[in-house]
Amino acid sequence: TQLLEQSPQFLSIQEGENLTVYCNSSSVFSSLQWYRQEPGEGPVLLVTVVTGGEVKKLKRLTFQFGDARKDSSLHITAAQPGDTGLYLCAGAGTNFGNEKLTFGTGTRLTIIP
Amino acid sequence: EPEVTQTPSHQVTQMGQEVILRCVPISNHLYFYWYRQILGQKVEFLVSFYNNEISEKSEIFDDQFSVERPDGSNFTLKIRSTKLEDSAMYFCASGTTNTGELFFGEGSRLTVL
Repeated sequence: TQLLEQSPQFLSIQEGENLTVYCNSSSVFSSLQWYRQEPGEGPVLLVTVVTGGEVKKLKRLTFQFGDARKDSSLHITAAQPGDTGLYLCAGAGTNFGNEKLTFGTGTRLTIIP
Repeated sequence: EPEVTQTPSHQVTQMGQEVILRCVPISNHLYFYWYRQILGQKVEFLVSFYNNEISEKSEIFDDQFSVERPDGSNFTLKIRSTKLEDSAMYFCASGTTNTGELFFGEGSRLTVL
């Protein structure tokens, strides 16, 4: 069974601060996605990382895939109140393109104005 | 922007009743999925569907569950005899072969009384 553990589970910081969220597993994934979920809504895709060591940037968000493709991190620079939400990582297995996603436990982020 | 649409947004039913949740995936997508999220818990994989048949299902997806794509457009999840523990948010998702990324609908909240 593939498991993805996210840390921290909850994070509350002041506007303007930087933060990093981690997503760890003992399993290797063919790709890893980061989603953001608002209350009562479905997860919204932020980014996909595929190659070990890959780094992708989305404005103030930086995503990195671990060299061994077992873990990932999300770094937010100068956090804004609009960044508040539930951040989920999800890993796809080896049958690329037709594989279920295993979701992480989630990090609930609150940015205090 | 294309999106996955789900109906109903909320359904309340009595235990033992049949429920059908409907989804219209993004039109050029080939892979279709149902996930569920019990309140406060992780998003969990239920079933994947490709080429008009189930490609993978989880332990949750027992004989009470079924999926079909009757008209090449809608993708439905049927629960034959609902149980209290089926109460959850059910998310439909679709994807292509190229990236493994999934696009989720806004979900159908099922409440079983």
